Amino acid sequence: KAGVTQTPRYLIKTRGQQVTLSCSPISGHRSVSWYQQTPGQGLQFLFEYFSETQRNKGNFPGRFSGRQFSNSRSEMNVSTLELGDSALYLCASSPGSTGELFFGEGSRLTVL
Amino acid sequence: GENVEQHPSTLSVQEGDSAVIKCTYSDSASNYFPWYKQELGKRPQLIIDIRSNVGEKKDQRIAVTLNKTAKHFSLHITETQPEDSAVYFCAASKGQAGTALIFGKGTTLSVSS
Repeated sequence: KAGVTQTPRYLIKTRGQQVTLSCSPISGHRSVSWYQQTPGQGLQFLFEYFSETQRNKGNFPGRFSGRQFSNSRSEMNVSTLELGDSALYLCASSPGSTGELFFGEGSRLTVL
Repeated sequence: GENVEQHPSTLSVQEGDSAVIKCTYSDSASNYFPWYKQELGKRPQLIIDIRSNVGEKKDQRIAVTLNKTAKHFSLHITETQPEDSAVYFCAASKGQAGTALIFGKGTTLSVSS
C-alpha cells in the first residue's frame, strides 16, 4: 500500500507570492490533516478534513486555507507569503478506525 | 484551546539507562494521547498511544502512563539503545480518530553508547 504522498517536496518562493501544496492520503483513508513544523514551534496543527468537510481548524491566519476533494486528496494554500511561513508542511492521513496518523515526508517551503 | 507542555526539551542518557519524558495538557475533554518519534530527516511515526479510560500501556521497552486528575502523561523508555535517539513528541486530542492533534514542542533524546 502506498504511503502518504506530498508534492512538491521542496519549493522556494518570495514574499507576497502564494503557494499550493498537495497531499494524497493512503488509499481508503478519509481524514487528512495538515501540520506546520518549525524548529522553534514544533508541530502545529493547521486543519483537518474529513469527507471534503473541514472538521477542525488550528490557530493560523486566514492566509492559510485548504480543501479536500472527493477522492480524499487534499491541498493547502498559503497566500501573501511571509518570511515566517518558511517551514516543513506535513500532511497526515488517518483510517478513522484508530487514532494513528500516517505522515507524509512533507513539503519544505522556503520564503525569501 | 488545548495546550500541551512537554519536558525536558533535551535529554541525554547512556545506553541501557531509562528515559522519561513528561507532558501536561490543559483541556480536560482531551481523551487520546499519542507519542510520535521523529528520526532526523524522517517523518513522525506513532510509537504508542493511550486513551483516557486506561492508566498505563506497555509495548516492549516503552510504556505510557496517564494521570487524568493531574492532566499529565509520561513516556518511559527502558534499556535505551542508540537507535532510540530521535525527537519525541507527545500530543493530545479529543473526539474521534483523526481529530486534530495538539503537539508538545518535542524532546530530543540522545543515547550514547
